[in-house]
Amino acid sequence: DIQMTQSPSSLSASVGDRVTITCRASQSVNYYLNWYQQKPGKAPKLLIYVASSLQSGVPSRFSGSGSGTDFTLTISSLQPEDFATYYCQQSYFTPLTFGGGTKVEFK
Amino acid sequence: QLQLQESGPGLVKPSETLSLTCSVSGGSINGSIYYWGWIRQTPGKGLEQIGTIYYTGLTYYKPSLRSRVTISVDTSKNQFSLRLSSVTAADTAMYFCCALGYSGFSDNWGQGTLVTVSS
Repeated sequence: DIQMTQSPSSLSASVGDRVTITCRASQSVNYYLNWYQQKPGKAPKLLIYVASSLQSGVPSRFSGSGSGTDFTLTISSLQPEDFATYYCQQSYFTPLTFGGGTKVEFK
Repeated sequence: QLQLQESGPGLVKPSETLSLTCSVSGGSINGSIYYWGWIRQTPGKGLEQIGTIYYTGLTYYKPSLRSRVTISVDTSKNQFSLRLSSVTAADTAMYFCCALGYSGFSDNWGQGTLVTVSS
């Protein structure tokens, strides 16, 4: 299975901060990398698909970049509703695999 | 707007079979552009794909679970189902059903259902 490694596993930030989360794949997944946000007790919510495409309805402060093995999710100006756990997911190989998550907490 | 809803027992005994159903509304499973999938989440192993099914009945199962998993579709009821046999405590998880696009991501998830394996 393709291993997806996210860093950091958690971070503390303030409203208005720029936040960057990285995801590394154990081998190239081309641009088939997706990002989700999950809040406690809820299902994951798709933010970014195929590395850099913003899902409809998702605020433009979220952006994604990268290809191959290294990817980044950026939140340009953190808002109160953005405190959550973020997951990357590769969809180039089966089985689909997810990163371990990055918990964004209030500083 | 596609909506998915999981249903099934929240408690299953060890060695028995876990059975869940996902009801789809707001769209038809039949002839769909989606693959219908099951994903589970545990604190220890995180998010894990179990398998997917296409409306034609074509299935994919994660190899490590293949011997215990069956996913089926009932187009007449607009539902698809998961059966996981010989469960152990390691199968205790939040189980989500979802609609996966051809590029392997999902913007449609059920709310999830917690299944605990315990005697």
